[in-house]
Amino acid sequence: DAKTTQPPSMDCAEGRAANLPCNHSTISGNEYVYWYRQIHSQGPQYIIHGLKNNETNEMASLIITEDRKSSTLILPHATLRDTAVYYCIVSYSNSGYALNFGKGTSLLVTP
Amino acid sequence: DTAVSQTPKYLVTQMGNDKSIKCEQNLGHDTMYWYKQDSKKFLKIMFSYNNKELIINETVPNRFSPKSPDKAHLNLHINSLELGDSAVYFCASSQEGTVKAFFGQGTRLTVV
Repeated sequence: DAKTTQPPSMDCAEGRAANLPCNHSTISGNEYVYWYRQIHSQGPQYIIHGLKNNETNEMASLIITEDRKSSTLILPHATLRDTAVYYCIVSYSNSGYALNFGKGTSLLVTP
Repeated sequence: DTAVSQTPKYLVTQMGNDKSIKCEQNLGHDTMYWYKQDSKKFLKIMFSYNNKELIINETVPNRFSPKSPDKAHLNLHINSLELGDSAVYFCASSQEGTVKAFFGQGTRLTVV
């Protein structure tokens, strides 16, 4: 599986957009980009995933560069409850693979 | 209804004991996992089962034995517990063909 690089920490003001970057320069053609988050003392929570196209759901938007070497998770209006560790993971999408969590980005949303 | 549930949530036990953690998912998923999160907060895959068959078995001491009685359950049995086994253990499940996984709330195991 390709490795990812994320900044260790970021701050964001409540109500602002949080843009979390991820580099995955060794991603292969069939690997997806997944984003999860872990709020303190809880299990990881799936946010969004994509292959090539940008994706949006009720939680966030995922922007993947054309060369697929990097991506950005966007939380459009961050709230205090979005304070968590955010993990960017690249993985093949079949049952023979599991999620390889790195260190993630610790996002602090401030009032 | 909780999608992926683990019991117990907390487990404190003495070194040398044998303990089990249970996991059940009501999502109809085919694949279930056990992850371990250590004191440094790194999440690592331990095991994965697909339709009751073991498909991923990372380098884990053989004191850890997963058991899947049916595809909705994946239990983790640990023999001869050691201090270093203290961690939070997460169960997860996903539908076949995806690693979009749903996680349980975790079991915090403390070995004293």
